[in-house]
This record gives sequence, C-alpha cells and structure tokens, in this order.
Amino acid sequence: EVQLVESGGGLVQPGGSLRLSCGASGFMFGHHYMDWVRQGPGKGLEWVGRSRTKAHYYATEYAASVKGRFEISRDESENSAYLQMESLQTEDTAVYYCARVDLSGYGWDVWGQGTTVTVSS
Amino acid sequence: SFELTQPASVSVSPGQTANITCSGDTLPKQYANWYQKKSGQAPLLLIHKDSQRPSGIPERFSGTSSGTVVMLTISGVQVEDEADYYCQSTDRDNRNVLLGGGTKLSVL
Repeated sequence: EVQLVESGGGLVQPGGSLRLSCGASGFMFGHHYMDWVRQGPGKGLEWVGRSRTKAHYYATEYAASVKGRFEISRDESENSAYLQMESLQTEDTAVYYCARVDLSGYGWDVWGQGTTVTVSS
Repeated sequence: SFELTQPASVSVSPGQTANITCSGDTLPKQYANWYQKKSGQAPLLLIHKDSQRPSGIPERFSGTSSGTVVMLTISGVQVEDEADYYCQSTDRDNRNVLLGGGTKLSVL
C-alpha cells in the first residue's frame, strides 16, 4: 500500500524549533519529489516547500513565508523526508502534510494524514 | 495573495451542477490540478493535468481548461461533496507551486 506517515508535531514556543518527519512506503521514494503543505486554522492550503530527487541534485524550493527559516531534506536509505523548522512564529501554527509529487502533472497524488504544529507561549 | 484566483464560495442544490473556476496567467502553459479538502481529512486529488481523473474518483468530477481559466465541474452534486476545493499549478519555471485560495462548496 502506498502510504505517507508524518510525525513530530507538537507545541512549541515562539522562536523555537521543531523537526517533522514523513515516512514513505509502497513506492519508489527516490523517484519522486516530496512537498510539504500546511493549513492554518481557518485558512486555506499553503505550499511550504519541495525536495527534489537525486537526479535533480536534491534541489529544494521554499515558499517566501518560510524561506530562510525552514529546511527540507530527505534520506533515501530511510525512505523519509524531513522538515526542519526554525524561528517558529505563531502564524506557523498549522496542520502540516507531506505529499508525493506526481511528475507528469506536478500534482500531489499521495498525502499523509498530517501532523499538528502549534506555536504558542 | 494568491496567483490563482478562485471564487470564495459556490452554492448548489443536490443534483445540480457546480462549476468552480480558477484563473491565472500561467495556466495556458502549466497543468492545473484540483483537490477536495474536508475538515479533519487530508486533501484528495480529484483532477490532474487539467482534465484527467485519477482512478477511484467518481465520474461526476471533471475538469476543463481554456486559456487562463480552468474549471472543475461537479455534475449531479451530492451532499457528501460539500467541501473546500483548491486549484494548484506551478510557476513558469516549474520551481514554485501556486495555489488558489480555495472555494467553499455548499450543498443546500
């Protein structure tokens, strides 16, 4: 079964850090870009960033709202993607999803169940 | 701000047809994808590459593209279709993802 499972969410104070993990199974992880997408309370979906494959030099892209604070990485030996979040702000409070990118249309065809990050003092 | 523009809300009665539009300057050159998002659930890919339906998605969901506008059509809307719908595409360089602000479909 194709599956993504996120973990690592929790409560963190403003200015703090958190690392989210996304474990993949049931497909060739190394063949797919992996994205992180979030949804804040009462807000729409927001793309956070992308991790490309080895064939594309593991290049990453980030939304302007998180650039310089968040870092995406991947470990293909662990079939996992990671989102390291630094200098967290209250507006980063959201459910964070990892999603597999379908390279034929750049859509997100597989999603995890989401992990909740709450930034609050 | 969003570089893909969707109406904030659409309302239809059960059995009617709902049309949700999404406009953006990059859409003539880049594929659009559509997602359904229900509260407490992960988003679901409904339409990819403008008009293709992934396996398992009911035939009542369809997508069309014309110039700078793409449209999601839900024929014979059911009560269970009440959800938020998002269009998504990429910028001209395929580097950044573009997302619409979402459309709340109410089934009255």
